[in-house]
Amino acid sequence: KQEVTQIPAALSVPEGENLVLNCSFTDSAIYNLQWFRQDPGKGLTSLLLIQSSQREQTSGRLNASLDKSSGRSTLYIAASQPGDSATYLCAVGTYNQGGKLIFGQGTELSVKP
Amino acid sequence: EADIYQTPRYLVIGTGKKITLECSQTMGHDKMYWYQQDPGMELHLIHYSYGVNSTEKGDLSSESTVSRIRTEHFPLTLESARPSHTSQYLCASSLTLPTTDTQYFGPGTRLTVL
Repeated sequence: KQEVTQIPAALSVPEGENLVLNCSFTDSAIYNLQWFRQDPGKGLTSLLLIQSSQREQTSGRLNASLDKSSGRSTLYIAASQPGDSATYLCAVGTYNQGGKLIFGQGTELSVKP
Repeated sequence: EADIYQTPRYLVIGTGKKITLECSQTMGHDKMYWYQQDPGMELHLIHYSYGVNSTEKGDLSSESTVSRIRTEHFPLTLESARPSHTSQYLCASSLTLPTTDTQYFGPGTRLTVL
């Protein structure tokens, strides 16, 4: 059974720092991996999607990597800003059940001005 | 920005009432999903659909039911709401393509059953 774990559960950094969020999964037979952002009381915003054949994806200040063999993904945020404060969710896409996503519990990020 | 909508955003209702949570998307996506998220917990899939007239149950057991009569519409119904149904319900959709299978999420419905 696929399990997704995110470390740390919470992170507080001063503005301007570069930071790394970690995601690990137990079954390497994944379809894709997606990083989301969730603001309090809101839905999820897709940040990056990495297909199983890819190693990384970049969007602006965000870079996500994928190492299927070790069951790990990282989300790198450069030059963090207070507006980056949110919960970041990692989700693994599976081959069954319509490509359902299995989510980690998230990392709650706070960027202090 | 994803064109996927959920109504209502917030609902407080008494035990025993029948409720329907609406979800619609204007992107022409064939796949649609319902996830449930309890406070501080991860999301779990409760229903999904491959297309019109296709509905399947997800991993997390749910007393809710869904229907998919039109591509753009995927409502979720609870025949008799109970306090245990209090949660956030998130609808999502995606397109069946081999290289772009991003799931787009709606804003969610936060349900409270008294």
